[in-house]
Amino acid sequence: DARVTQTPRHKVTEMGQEVTMRCQPILGHNTVFWYRQTMMQGLELLAYFRNRAPLDDSGMPKDRFSAEMPDATLATLKIQPSEPRDSAVYFCASGTVGGADEQFFGPGTRLTVL
Amino acid sequence: KQEVTQIPAALSVPEGENLVLNCSFTDSAIYNLQWFRQDPGKGLTSLLLIQSSQREQTSGRLNASLDKSSGRSTLYIAASQPGDSATYLCAVKSNYQLIWGAGTKLIIKP
Repeated sequence: DARVTQTPRHKVTEMGQEVTMRCQPILGHNTVFWYRQTMMQGLELLAYFRNRAPLDDSGMPKDRFSAEMPDATLATLKIQPSEPRDSAVYFCASGTVGGADEQFFGPGTRLTVL
Repeated sequence: KQEVTQIPAALSVPEGENLVLNCSFTDSAIYNLQWFRQDPGKGLTSLLLIQSSQREQTSGRLNASLDKSSGRSTLYIAASQPGDSATYLCAVKSNYQLIWGAGTKLIIKP
């Protein structure tokens, strides 16, 4: 049963600390998306990768957020330094361009910045 | 700019009823529309995806329709069960991005 996995599932940290979230897309998928979900804003797209290349990261605060795909099986989202307003659930999703184009979501990382 | 609206924001119905959730979008130039389910504290589960060339999709007790010209989609749930209680989100794909509705929180009372 192919699934998107994310680690950690929960993270509590103090303001100013670095946070790294990891995502393993479904094998064979060539697109990866990072989303953030909050009660106030709903779901927001942070970054989009196709074939490991970042095509859109306009949704990310560039001064503190960075997203990478070191290889086809790993996507990372890093926040440095973290701030209380970054507290949210961060979702990773993967899919395929040219196929059904459906996005499959991971379980999310719930981040709390104190 | 594409905007997606879901009405109602919340819905509570007795078990066994058939119900309809609504999703509307402002720009008919969409690639596809996807319905998701989200349980409290959990991730999003894809329920149905309708390509722009399709009119409807069915999966079990769920049926989703798409009318691009009027900018509407509906999710029909037949014979609702308490396990259907969740938040239902629709998302429209414009270019590569999913544009999200705010969701409908559904409660099915036993």
